[in-house]
Amino acid sequence: AQSVAQPEDQVNVAEGNPLTVKCTYSVSGNPYLFWYVQYPNRGLQFLLKYITGDNLVKGSYGFEAEFNKSQTSFHLKKPSALVSDSALYFCAVRDGGVDFNKFYFGSGTKLNVKP
Amino acid sequence: NAGVTQTPKFRILKIGQSMTLQCTQDMNHNYMYWYRQDPGMGLKLIYYSVGAGITDKGEVPNGYNVSRSTTEDFPLRLELAAPSQTSVYFCASSYNRDTNQPQHFGDGTRLSIL
Repeated sequence: AQSVAQPEDQVNVAEGNPLTVKCTYSVSGNPYLFWYVQYPNRGLQFLLKYITGDNLVKGSYGFEAEFNKSQTSFHLKKPSALVSDSALYFCAVRDGGVDFNKFYFGSGTKLNVKP
Repeated sequence: NAGVTQTPKFRILKIGQSMTLQCTQDMNHNYMYWYRQDPGMGLKLIYYSVGAGITDKGEVPNGYNVSRSTTEDFPLRLELAAPSQTSVYFCASSYNRDTNQPQHFGDGTRLSIL
């Protein structure tokens, strides 16, 4: 069955330090992977996606993510965190095989960046 | 462009009441989705539609109904509100399946059933 796991409910990092938010997935076909960010009382906003090609994808606000097929992971990264990056982050996958119409979301990771 | 617009933003219902959550998009997207977001649970798909006149169930459809008479609108209906339906509801849309464009989300409807 298709699924997404975000193993950390919360990630704490100091401003200026690198950050990583973890995501692993399970699909039957080729994975189409997405990261979204959610600020309080707002909907989810698209950050970046992996469809095919280079394993390192770059997105909005300096974020990037690394696709690792053997580990079925798609971790979100940023070299230098900002306080304004504090938000809730969701990983999502779309299965290129079955259920192509659906997106599956992880449970979310709250990122806290401290000054 | 307004994007995806949801109304109302907040609502309190009594058990057994009914209501319709409205969702409209102005991006001419074929695909539309309804999710509910519960604390620590991520987003669960309630219903989705791949075009006008076509709807299908997601993971948690019980207690809800939808219709898609136009490309722009995708209302979600609660017929007999129950406390378990207290949640934040998000509508989303995306372009057709061949482009793998991301979903665009509304700002949500916060619904409490008392």
